[in-house]
Amino acid sequence: NAGVTQTPKFQVLKTGQSMTLQCAQDMNHNSMYWYRQDPGMGLRLIYYSASEGTTDKGEVPNGYNVSRLNKREFSLRLESAAPSQTSVYFCASRDRQAFNQPQHFGDGTRLSIL
Amino acid sequence: TQLLEQSPQFLSIQEGENLTVYCNSSSVFSSLQWYRQEPGEGPVLLVTVVTGGEVKKLKRLTFQFGDARKDSSLHITAAQPGDTGLYLCAGAESNFNKFYFGSGTKLNVKP
Repeated sequence: NAGVTQTPKFQVLKTGQSMTLQCAQDMNHNSMYWYRQDPGMGLRLIYYSASEGTTDKGEVPNGYNVSRLNKREFSLRLESAAPSQTSVYFCASRDRQAFNQPQHFGDGTRLSIL
Repeated sequence: TQLLEQSPQFLSIQEGENLTVYCNSSSVFSSLQWYRQEPGEGPVLLVTVVTGGEVKKLKRLTFQFGDARKDSSLHITAAQPGDTGLYLCAGAESNFNKFYFGSGTKLNVKP
């Protein structure tokens, strides 16, 4: 029962470096999400993909890009990392066929930008 | 500023006490979900409420959705140390594709 798998679990970058956070789900869900979680801020939506082939901006999309590679995978890319992007990043997926379905979250990627 | 404001931000109580966490907004949501998150893990769904005025009970936890679907509350009766964690509310837009999370309430229940 893998659910939602995020890689890597930890990463340290220097300002200006780029990297891609990977997310894969094995529940055949249509919708996938990327959030960031900062102390005292709860979770803020970066981008989401309601279905394969579509992506939309969330609350805080600046500095990020996403790719919905296929139904299983949804990646988040930082083109030029900045210290303000230090955060814990969570990927989630959801079966959008029923309104009361939960989001299933991965265990997060802890990213530090120096 | 966040669309959903939770209060209190922190709560430290003794085992056996009751508590209420509030989730408020000026926006109307199609549904509201409550999640619990433990350190080092992602949030896990506790309940979804959909109808204005709806009350749902999950053992010692009681969830209420406001009549106008702008606010919600979570009440815990006789809190236990196992209830310790971060409680998050999340409101869904009309198409149920996009969710807004509250800032969270960090609960510590001391034995």
